[in-house]
Amino acid sequence: NAGVTQTPKFQVLKTGQSMTLQCAQDMNHEYMSWYRQDPGMGLRLIHYSVGAGITDQGEVPNGYNVSRSTTEDFPLRLLSAAPSQTSVYFCASHGGSGSLEQYFGPGTRLTVT
Amino acid sequence: AQSVTQLGSHVSVSEGALVLLRCNYSSSVPPYLFWYVQYPNQGLQLLLKYTSAATLVKGINGFEAEFKKSETSFHLTKPSAHMSDAAEYFCAVSQFGNEKLTFGTGTRLTIIP
Repeated sequence: NAGVTQTPKFQVLKTGQSMTLQCAQDMNHEYMSWYRQDPGMGLRLIHYSVGAGITDQGEVPNGYNVSRSTTEDFPLRLLSAAPSQTSVYFCASHGGSGSLEQYFGPGTRLTVT
Repeated sequence: AQSVTQLGSHVSVSEGALVLLRCNYSSSVPPYLFWYVQYPNQGLQLLLKYTSAATLVKGINGFEAEFKKSETSFHLTKPSAHMSDAAEYFCAVSQFGNEKLTFGTGTRLTIIP
């Protein structure tokens, strides 16, 4: 199993550009989440999904969109990038409330200039 | 509402010395508590978890943590530090099992040879 994969690993955007961060998992997990990691702030939940077709907002959802059309994929879209979105983004998945372990991808480092 | 406070953003210990990383939580219901480790340029990996089964929890790589309800604490310890323990450590809390984790701001552990 590849686990949780994320692409790209690095990305530089100009203010106002749009892009999609890709996340995929091959563990048939129902739950998937997006976090951003900023120095001194730990990880903060952006959006999460409890299954295909179901998404909800986390702590810091503004400026980000998500959709979940399949169990495997959970892309994160930035419609109009801002410098405040410079961060490291992690995708995670787990098999449900009984599994009690989230599996994290390797991260995408995004810089917005 | 739930929150986590990690005391000390940086901790340095000598190789072979005791490692103690502090975590205090706030939760309106009995919490699920987690410690994750992040090695440089990698995603997060679960070290251990508390789910109310036992107050002393043993994890991977010789780490353990003790849940103390009276002190609302879940400190992480290891009797003898190894150079490979150098990493960033995150405490996290959830009220719903593994969903909607709230992370602390992290503690960077440095091991002195």
